[in-house]
Amino acid sequence: EVRLVETGGGLIQPGGSLRLSCVASGFTVSSNYMSWVRQAPGKGLEWVSVIYSGGNTFYADSVKGRFTISRDNSNNTLYLQMNSLRAEDTAVYYCANLGGGKRFGFDPWGQGTLVTVSS
Amino acid sequence: QTVVTQEPSFSVSPGGTVTLTCGLSSGSVSTTHYPSWYQQTPGQAPRALIYNTNTRSSGVPDRFSGSILGNKAALTITGAQADDESDYYCVLYMGSGIWVFGGGTKLTV
Repeated sequence: EVRLVETGGGLIQPGGSLRLSCVASGFTVSSNYMSWVRQAPGKGLEWVSVIYSGGNTFYADSVKGRFTISRDNSNNTLYLQMNSLRAEDTAVYYCANLGGGKRFGFDPWGQGTLVTVSS
Repeated sequence: QTVVTQEPSFSVSPGGTVTLTCGLSSGSVSTTHYPSWYQQTPGQAPRALIYNTNTRSSGVPDRFSGSILGNKAALTITGAQADDESDYYCVLYMGSGIWVFGGGTKLTV
């Protein structure tokens, strides 16, 4: 079964750091483009970051310089290191397989993990 | 900065056909934007419907179809059912590794 499970969310103060994890099963993270997408409460989806199978990484302007995407091939896990967190980073964070090669679409998605940035 | 546009809301009668669109604030959508579509109900993760403009994801019924209509990407639902009432999002590839979601369309059946 193809599945993604995110962990690591929680309540964090502004300026703090948090690392999200996304464990994949049923496929190999390093062979795919893997992405993070977030959704603020009551708002729409916002693309955050992607890591290509070759290792290149890209970020939305809203998180560039503060967030870092990475992966652990041995544990088939995707990460998002979030530093200098702001109130506007409060959201449910989803990881998703973007595909690559001939398929470009976010599928599947994890169940999401909630990050709340508040004092 | 280019914005991806979607209708904020749409209504369709049960059994009817509805076409939701996904455009750009500047320019036309083409297959090189790799448009894809997602369905989301409250409290749930998004579900992939269409990728690469018009390819259905696994398990998606054929009453969902994707296309390019004029200068926009389009999602057509034929024979709408009550459980199609959801939020629908498109996303486009902008180049240089950057993806942008539309604001979403709330569909009422």
